Parts: sequence; structure tokens; C-alpha cells
Amino acid sequence: AQSVTQPDIHITVSEGASLELRCNYSYGATPYLFWYVQSPGQGLQLLLKYFSGDTLVQGIKGFEAEFKRSQSSFNLRKPSVHWSDAAEYFCAVGRVTGTASKLTFGTGTRLQVTL
Amino acid sequence: DGGITQSPKYLFRKEGQNVTLSCEQNLNHDAMYWYRQDPGQGLRLIYYSQIVNDFQKGDIAEGYSVSREKKESFPLTVTSAQKNPTAFYLCASSMSLRGHRPTDTQYFGPGTRLTVL
Repeated sequence: AQSVTQPDIHITVSEGASLELRCNYSYGATPYLFWYVQSPGQGLQLLLKYFSGDTLVQGIKGFEAEFKRSQSSFNLRKPSVHWSDAAEYFCAVGRVTGTASKLTFGTGTRLQVTL
Repeated sequence: DGGITQSPKYLFRKEGQNVTLSCEQNLNHDAMYWYRQDPGQGLRLIYYSQIVNDFQKGDIAEGYSVSREKKESFPLTVTSAQKNPTAFYLCASSMSLRGHRPTDTQYFGPGTRLTVL
């Protein structure tokens, strides 16, 4: 069965510092990978997605992620964090089952930004 | 503006009562989903619908029911059979599940926080 692991429950970084959020997946076929961000009490917004091609994916708000098949990872990065990036971040893998496709989410990483 | 609306934002109900959460989208999407979010557990799929008048159980469907009478609407009923209904509920939609397109982006509504007293 497919699964997504986000090993860091909570991360704190200083504003202006670099950020890397880890995501590992388990999936037998070609993975379709997503990163979403959620502000407190809000819905989820897509940051970026990967399904083929260049393994370094650019997203919105200055985020990027790199797909590494050998490590089963899809880590999210940002070179310089802003206070407004404080939120919860979810990694997800898309899969096809029968005639449907669904997302499996990780448990999330909460990012705190100190000034 | 196109998007997904969920109402109400906060909902309080007494234990043993059924409650229906609304989800409407004007994105002309075929597929719609309901997720439940609990602290530290990420999002778990309750039900999804690929097309009008059709829906499928997700991973945690027990104690929930849905209908899909219109393309724009996918209401979720939390029944008294749901043992622990207090949670944050998120509705999402995507263009189409047909044709095996797992790359379709799911767009999320703002969520409804249900508290059962």
C-alpha cells in the first residue's frame, strides 16, 4: 500500500534562513507527488506537483522540490523563508485505483518562523 | 470568482444528531471529495464522486453519507453512527478522475469545523 511519511512534525526557522521539509513515499508504480500548504483554519493550497520530466520542480511563493527516486523522497525547499510562510505543509502521493485516482497525504509538518 | 465554498465555517451539534455539511463548486469540475482532518493525522478520504449520481467510499466512510445530485454540489452528512465526529472537514474538487489522471490538481475549500457537544 502507498504511504507518505513526513518525519518532522514541527520545524522552527529564523526569517531569512533556508528551509527544507522532508517527505518520503512508498509507492510501487510511478509516483505523482504534491506539496500543499495550509494556513490555520483554512483549506489547502497547492504549492507544486511532480509527475514526470525534470526532477527539480518550481512552485509558487518561491518554493521548489526535488524528486529523488533512489531515495523515495520529494523534499520541499525554500532558500529564504519569510514570516508569512508559517503554516502547515503536507506532502501527498497520487495513485490510480481502478477507474479512480486519489491522494494519500502525509501527517504534515508545522513550520514556525521566528523574527 | 471561481472556487469552492463550504458552509458553515463552524458548526456545533449535540451528540446523536445528524448534521449536513455543504460543499459547492463553480469550477465545472467533475470530481469532488470529502476529507477529514484531525490533529497529527493529516487528511483522510471519506467519500469521493467522479460524476453526478455516483460516489465511492474512501478510507473512512463509516458513519458518513453523501449525495451528488448536481455537478456543483456534494453535501456530506455526518450521522449519529459516527463515533467521533468532532473534526475539521475539507471538501475538494478536481477536473476529472476519468482517463486515469492522477496528476489532476485537487482544489480545496476553506473547511468546516464541526464540534459535537
